[in-house]
Amino acid sequence: RKEVEQDPGPFNVPEGATVAFNCTYSNSASQSFFWYRQDCRKEPKLLMSVYSSGNEDGRFTAQLNRASQYISLLIRDSKLSDSATYLCVVNEDFNKFYFGSGTKLNVKP
Amino acid sequence: SAVISQKPSRDICQRGTSLTIQCQVDSQVTMMFWYRQQPGQSLTLIATANQGSEATYESGFVIDKFPISRPNLTFSTLTVSNMSPEDSSIYLCSGAGTGSLEQFFGPGTRLTVL
Repeated sequence: RKEVEQDPGPFNVPEGATVAFNCTYSNSASQSFFWYRQDCRKEPKLLMSVYSSGNEDGRFTAQLNRASQYISLLIRDSKLSDSATYLCVVNEDFNKFYFGSGTKLNVKP
Repeated sequence: SAVISQKPSRDICQRGTSLTIQCQVDSQVTMMFWYRQQPGQSLTLIATANQGSEATYESGFVIDKFPISRPNLTFSTLTVSNMSPEDSSIYLCSGAGTGSLEQFFGPGTRLTVL
């Protein structure tokens, strides 16, 4: 079983739509969680950390559900520039990072 | 956030040779990591580069194949030794600052082994 699992998509949505991704993790002792964005042929860039109480940054909202062992990312009012692959990352220990396989988002005009 | 550069950005190498990839950070970072990303796949952690001591390797990766150096808090190298076509991949380094697990990535090195 993979440490981190994501729906690969692609999610094809129109501009202005709201879209949500989930990511499940297997180790209940996981400590920290992140969402990264990766554009085609580019390096991953940190989108946001995920806090236990949930957190919001503009159009992006991240939530953590420890009981069900998943994290989510909600994007409101999608823009064309949001098209990318979104990677969830789970940290189990000081230097143990596991990346999901990514969810591809296509925002269409 | 830190700015990270890598050299070379890409290379095409012959089977059996070795390639050293350099990673430079513009500020001191506590942790540096090396990852591999196969085309269409996600990132796999190769090792944590420890300053002044041997790197910590993940399962499936060994020092003889992927020797790593980290002489100071801003620089690290990864060598891919005795390469085979299966080593063709993108290699990325990342850094994370003091008290933070948020990583910043270099642009990657695209390696093709013939």
